[in-house]
Amino acid sequence: GENVEQHPSTLSVQEGDSAVIKCTYSDSASNYFPWYKQELGKRPQLIIDIRSNVGEKKDQRIAVTLNKTAKHFSLHITETQPEDSAVYFCAAPRPPYSGNTPLVFGKGTRLSVIA
Amino acid sequence: KAGVTQTPRYLIKTRGQQVTLSCSPISGHRSVSWYQQTPGQGLQFLFEYFSETQRNKGNFPGRFSGRQFSNSRSEMNVSTLELGDSALYLCASSFSGSYQETQYFGPGTRLLVL
Repeated sequence: GENVEQHPSTLSVQEGDSAVIKCTYSDSASNYFPWYKQELGKRPQLIIDIRSNVGEKKDQRIAVTLNKTAKHFSLHITETQPEDSAVYFCAAPRPPYSGNTPLVFGKGTRLSVIA
Repeated sequence: KAGVTQTPRYLIKTRGQQVTLSCSPISGHRSVSWYQQTPGQGLQFLFEYFSETQRNKGNFPGRFSGRQFSNSRSEMNVSTLELGDSALYLCASSFSGSYQETQYFGPGTRLLVL
């Protein structure tokens, strides 16, 4: 089955700096990679996703890059703000890739933005 | 539209007891997935229901079970509770359950087993 490794498990950055979280996956056929953000005491929410037919996707200060050859994808947050402090989860679908196959989540990265 | 709701929000049980958790999806969503969230393991998939049928199952023991009703509301049951079952249980709904759809999570039920 799919295995998703996420690093680092914790990350502290100064406000205004950039943060990068990386995930690796095991199945080369994986084709969809979402990122969820969970603020303290709140529910996880999708913040960005990328499909395997593109290498990068941006949404304001957030971007995700995908390297299919190396089987890893990364979340980039620029100009970090205190409200970016949260746990971030990456995910990839579990093979076989039927339409309703579940997602396998990484173990999460706790990002702290220090003002 | 109202978001995904879960009841109860908090539960305290003792070992050996059983517990039932409820999840009401977003109106129109027919797929409900359940996850166990613990600090060390992140989000682990339990099972997914669509139109009252379990379509996918994670790697959890048979003590964990679920069902879905005709109105798409779902329940999960954990029998013979163990200390290690203490966790936040999240459900998520989507329209069809496609893995490329956004999953909308509920606030979770925090279960403490003593």
